[in-house]
Amino acid sequence: NAGVTQTPKFRVLKTGQSMTLLCAQDMNHEYMYWYRQDPGMGLRLIHYSVGEGTTAKGEVPDGYNVSRLKKQNFLLGLESAAPSQTSVYFCATRPGPNRAYEQYFGPGTRLTVT
Amino acid sequence: GDSVTQMEGPVTLSEEAFLTINCTYTATGYPSLFWYVQYPGEGLQLLLKATKADDKGSNKGFEATYRKETTSFHLEKGSVQVSDSAVYFCAPHYGGSQGNLIFGKGTKLSVKP
Repeated sequence: NAGVTQTPKFRVLKTGQSMTLLCAQDMNHEYMYWYRQDPGMGLRLIHYSVGEGTTAKGEVPDGYNVSRLKKQNFLLGLESAAPSQTSVYFCATRPGPNRAYEQYFGPGTRLTVT
Repeated sequence: GDSVTQMEGPVTLSEEAFLTINCTYTATGYPSLFWYVQYPGEGLQLLLKATKADDKGSNKGFEATYRKETTSFHLEKGSVQVSDSAVYFCAPHYGGSQGNLIFGKGTKLSVKP
């Protein structure tokens, strides 16, 4: 089992360019999340999904869009990248809503916007 | 709203020293409590958890006890190793339809030989 994978691992964009980050999981988990991690800020939730076909906004959703067309994939899109979106992006999954369930994280995507 | 306060870092210790990283959470509900660890260049992974009051989570020599009376979940290890150098995150989970975890800002631990 691969667990949670993220594509790509690294990317450099110019301001105004667009891109899509892919998160894929083979654990049949219902919940999926996108976080960004910045120095001194910890993890901040961008968007999340509680099942196929559903998405919801997290703490810092502006400038990002997401889609969950298939249960195993969660896509994060940047329509017009800005330097403030330079960050490390993590995808995570969770089996369901039970508060005892842990989250499973991908290895991250390091994005630089120049 | 719900929140978590975690000891600020960075923390630098010598090998075999005792480690404590403090974590307190707001008491608006009855969360499950997690500690996650992030090794350099990697994603987060679960270190330990506790789901009810007085439960003790433990793993890799680390321990944390769910203290409902003080709303705390402090991480401890009796003798740290160089390989424990990482960033540690405290994360209460309050459940509900959103199913989201709240993360502390992280504490960076460096262990010197």
